[in-house]
Amino acid sequence: GAVVSQHPSRVICKSGTSVKIECRSLDFQATTMFWYRQFPKQSLMLMATSNEGSKATYEQGVEKDKFLINHASLTLSTLTVTSAHPEDSSFYICSAMPGTGHNSPLHFGNGTRLTVT
Amino acid sequence: GENVEQHPSTLSVQEGDSAVIKCTYSDSASNYFPWYKQELGKRPQLIIDIRSNVGEKKDQRIAVTLNKTAKHFSLHITETQPEDSAVYFCAASIPQAGTALIFGKGTTLSVSS
Repeated sequence: GAVVSQHPSRVICKSGTSVKIECRSLDFQATTMFWYRQFPKQSLMLMATSNEGSKATYEQGVEKDKFLINHASLTLSTLTVTSAHPEDSSFYICSAMPGTGHNSPLHFGNGTRLTVT
Repeated sequence: GENVEQHPSTLSVQEGDSAVIKCTYSDSASNYFPWYKQELGKRPQLIIDIRSNVGEKKDQRIAVTLNKTAKHFSLHITETQPEDSAVYFCAASIPQAGTALIFGKGTTLSVSS
């Protein structure tokens, strides 16, 4: 079945530094990938839609200059948290949809737990 | 945009009982409604989904019903077991339009033996 690989699974960084999270579709091509953030005991909140070869579409309230998304190929999207602060600590999870999405469910990566100290 | 409401936020049942979780959605164009189960610290796992061209789908102890007119859908788990304990999320999207899944706030299901 379709596999989405996300790396790293955990990262601890100091305040002010930047962190890059990778999301790869291993056995399918994904023109669109989605980035979500999940705070403890809360739901998955859509941050942005990543489109291969074009700019990402950010949800209202998400700072595009802080959360940089690059979807350079059909199998890789990256999320960079720039100048991270403790309030950015969260579980970040990507997802991708094989093919055109007509009959394909969304597949999630394993998520990245970011802790900013 | 789409808005998904989910109830209840917590649900406690005895082993063997049934559990029902309900969701409503706002965008009448949404046509894909999956349900995810998420265990602590893990990614959501798809357990069942339904598309707008059917009203009900069943997979062993799990079933989902959809009422397009009322814009609500429900998850039914029968003969619950302790291992069913987790957080369940409903979601809605329009895959053909490439829209993302919008999730409900989740239901924490606890099954006690």
